[in-house]
Amino acid sequence: NAGVTQTPKFQVLKTGQSMTLQCAQDMNHNSMYWYRQDPGMGLRLIYYSASEGTTDKGEVPNGYNVSRLNKREFSLRLESAAPSQTSVYFCASSEGGAWHQPQHFGDGTRLSIL
Amino acid sequence: KNEVEQSPQNLTAQEGEFITINCSYSVGISALHWLQQHPGGGIVSLFMLSSGKKKHGRLIATINIQEKHSSLHITASHPRDSAVYICAVRSFPSGSRLTFGEGTQLTVNP
Repeated sequence: NAGVTQTPKFQVLKTGQSMTLQCAQDMNHNSMYWYRQDPGMGLRLIYYSASEGTTDKGEVPNGYNVSRLNKREFSLRLESAAPSQTSVYFCASSEGGAWHQPQHFGDGTRLSIL
Repeated sequence: KNEVEQSPQNLTAQEGEFITINCSYSVGISALHWLQQHPGGGIVSLFMLSSGKKKHGRLIATINIQEKHSSLHITASHPRDSAVYICAVRSFPSGSRLTFGEGTQLTVNP
């Protein structure tokens, strides 16, 4: 099984450009998450989707939008990229919200905004 | 003050040493997770705890709910254990959402 697949792995953008980060999981999980990881800080939740058809803001949603396209796919869009959005982005999924269910992570997307 | 604090931030050990990484949190939780981030960036879940102790191979995780503290121990450490170890908590109002510590960078030298 591929698990959680993120594309692209690396991307360089200019300020003001837009792009969509793609995430797909093949584990039939209900919940999906987007995080960003910055030096000296823990992973921070941008948006999450508890189930197909629902999305909710996390800790740092400003400047981002998401789409839960279907149960498998959860995309993150930067409408007008800013240097502050330079980060490593991780997508994750879990079967549901129960405490004993782990989150499975993708390999990350390294995004640089010039 | 962060809701989840880890110590130490960096840890260097010699192969074979017993290692302890600590995690303290300030909120009520339903579960605590320990994760490992490999040098290449991939993140894997090691343990999920709501009470007591869990063991997997050379890794042991404990949690003390009253003291709001968890420890991750590695016995007979090996260079392949070199990674960032991350503590995360699932707090009561947050449902399935996790709050993460900053991570502990562990380097095990041969």
